[in-house]
Amino acid sequence: SQTIHQWPATLVQPVGSPLSLECTVEGTSNPNLYWYRQAAGRGLQLLFYSVGIGQISSEVPQNLSASRPQDRQFILSSKKLLLSDSGFYLCAWMREETQYFGPGTRLLVL
Amino acid sequence: DAKTTQPPSMDCAEGRAANLPCNHSTISGNEYVYWYRQIHSQGPQYIIHGLKNNETNEMASLIITEDRKSSTLILPHATLRDTAVYYCIVRVAYRVRGSQGNLIFGKGTKLSVKP
Repeated sequence: SQTIHQWPATLVQPVGSPLSLECTVEGTSNPNLYWYRQAAGRGLQLLFYSVGIGQISSEVPQNLSASRPQDRQFILSSKKLLLSDSGFYLCAWMREETQYFGPGTRLLVL
Repeated sequence: DAKTTQPPSMDCAEGRAANLPCNHSTISGNEYVYWYRQIHSQGPQYIIHGLKNNETNEMASLIITEDRKSSTLILPHATLRDTAVYYCIVRVAYRVRGSQGNLIFGKGTKLSVKP
């Protein structure tokens, strides 16, 4: 069966510090992968998606970036965090038209 | 913006059926109806999806009206663990050219199951 992992589960970072969030999928190959952000009390916003290794599409301009160094690994990064980057970050993969979400990373930027 | 309209909140007694409505009057022919739920502090959980026909799985049933402009998610025997925010989402099939396959979440319906 397929599983999706995200880490860390929770992160507190100062403004201006770098960020690296990791997402890995097991039990499948060449999945579409997605990064979403959910701000407090709001819906999910698509940040990036990838259809294969090294292929990244960005949905919104921001100081975040994404990379896909391996088939089942998706990384969300930032060189300098802003207060507005706080939120709940969710990774998802897609199989047969349906997306399945990971447990999420809760990021608090202070 | 989300293409669906849902009531902001609903209550349901434990053991009774929970019927969650969703309006999607502008749905197009190649758009599916998806339902997810999100329990506090967790990632969204897929429940069910459909195109035209009613669907049923181990979690729920999805009833889609004949004109496809609305649907109802039915949890046949709600438990306290079903308390969550339920999202109804319409999304074009990924196989359609130019589709990214992403989901656009609205505010959903907060379902509270009470003992």
